Amino acid sequence: DAGVIQSPRHEVTEMGQEVTLRCKPISGHNSLFWYRQTMMRGLELLIYFNNNVPIDDSGMPEDRFSAKMPNASFSTLKIQPSEPRDSAVYFCASNPGAPLYGYTFGSGTRLTVV
Amino acid sequence: GQQVMQIPQYQHVQEGEDFTTYCNSSTTLSNIQWYKQRPGGHPVFLIQLVKSGEVKKQKRLTFQFGEAKKNSSLHITATQTTDVGTYFCAVSPGQNFVFGPGTRLSVLP
Repeated sequence: DAGVIQSPRHEVTEMGQEVTLRCKPISGHNSLFWYRQTMMRGLELLIYFNNNVPIDDSGMPEDRFSAKMPNASFSTLKIQPSEPRDSAVYFCASNPGAPLYGYTFGSGTRLTVV
Repeated sequence: GQQVMQIPQYQHVQEGEDFTTYCNSSTTLSNIQWYKQRPGGHPVFLIQLVKSGEVKKQKRLTFQFGEAKKNSSLHITATQTTDVGTYFCAVSPGQNFVFGPGTRLSVLP
């Protein structure tokens, strides 16, 4: 099992540009989570999906952020337009779908918006 | 919303010394998870506690859930340089987990 796969590992973009982060969860995991990590705010849950359906997006900072999960093996997090304050490490995590299971995190995407 | 605190925020220990981090919640918890994140890495699941007063061990790591299910602790015996990283507790208000701010552990050789 390759684990949760995220791409790209690093992204540097100019303010105002669109950024798309990608995630492939572990096969068979029904829940997928997007987190953002910064020194100031720690690990913040942005949105999570159960069986490809968004369940809670209350953590999405604003309308510039959107997430999709078109099928069980792929999810995207898009920021349009990007701003310097979006600079952070974005993690995708998955689990089998019940709160009694631990999350498996991907290696993250380090986003820098200049 | 769910409030979870961790203390201390930072801990520096000499290799071989013990280390303990505490996680405290404002509400009674159904369960609690612990994760470790190495510098530059991603959080890695360590363990989950469910029962009141539960104690679980993983080699030099001992995890405990409080009797009132409002707090938990992680204790590392005889730290090694490989223990360096940030230790997070995570609590579940529903279907997802909320992560604490973490305790950053430094181990001096």
